[in-house]
Amino acid sequence: DVKVTQSSRYLVKRTGEKVFLECVQDMDHENMFWYRQDPGLGLRLIYFSYDVKMKEKGDIPEGYSVSREKKERFSLILESASTNQTSMYLCASSFPGLSSYEQYFGPGTRLTVT
Amino acid sequence: GDSVTQMEGPVTLSEEAFLTINCTYTATGYPSLFWYVQYPGEGLQLLLKATKADDKGSNKGFEATYRKETTSFHLEKGSVQVSDSAVYFCALRWGGSEKLVFGKGTKLTVNP
Repeated sequence: DVKVTQSSRYLVKRTGEKVFLECVQDMDHENMFWYRQDPGLGLRLIYFSYDVKMKEKGDIPEGYSVSREKKERFSLILESASTNQTSMYLCASSFPGLSSYEQYFGPGTRLTVT
Repeated sequence: GDSVTQMEGPVTLSEEAFLTINCTYTATGYPSLFWYVQYPGEGLQLLLKATKADDKGSNKGFEATYRKETTSFHLEKGSVQVSDSAVYFCALRWGGSEKLVFGKGTKLTVNP
């Protein structure tokens, strides 16, 4: 069974802290994605990685960075957390190419920044 | 740019009622279209998809038809169940991109 796991379901951090959100997939997918989900705004893409060490900015990359040192793992980093980064963060993965349509999602990490 | 517009929720129905959630899109070319569902406390999962005009996607009693002339992909189910309570997202993928563009989501609550 396909699986995308995220390191924490709930996380509470203080303003200014450096925060790491980890995502691991066991499907050997090349593509991995980080989204944030906010009420009334839906899902917005933060960053996308199409291969190890390769990344591309999404729609809202400001305040975030990413790391992909191994194919199965994609990390989202908040360099200095702020209260407006309180949100649900979803990781997803997929195979590349026109014949692979489905993105597989993890359960999400609900981050609260106080 | 490409975009997806969904009907605003929340939507509240009684069990066995008919469901329609409207979705229209703006895109260059002919994108692939999707409905994803998010059950409480979970991530999103693919519900159904259609990759070309007039295709009908279906799964778990849900259906949606890709209408090029109206740029729409409305989700329907003839008789909803309490277990269908979830948030539903319409999405598109343009052929030249690996990325999905999502609508804002529609929350459905089905009461017994």
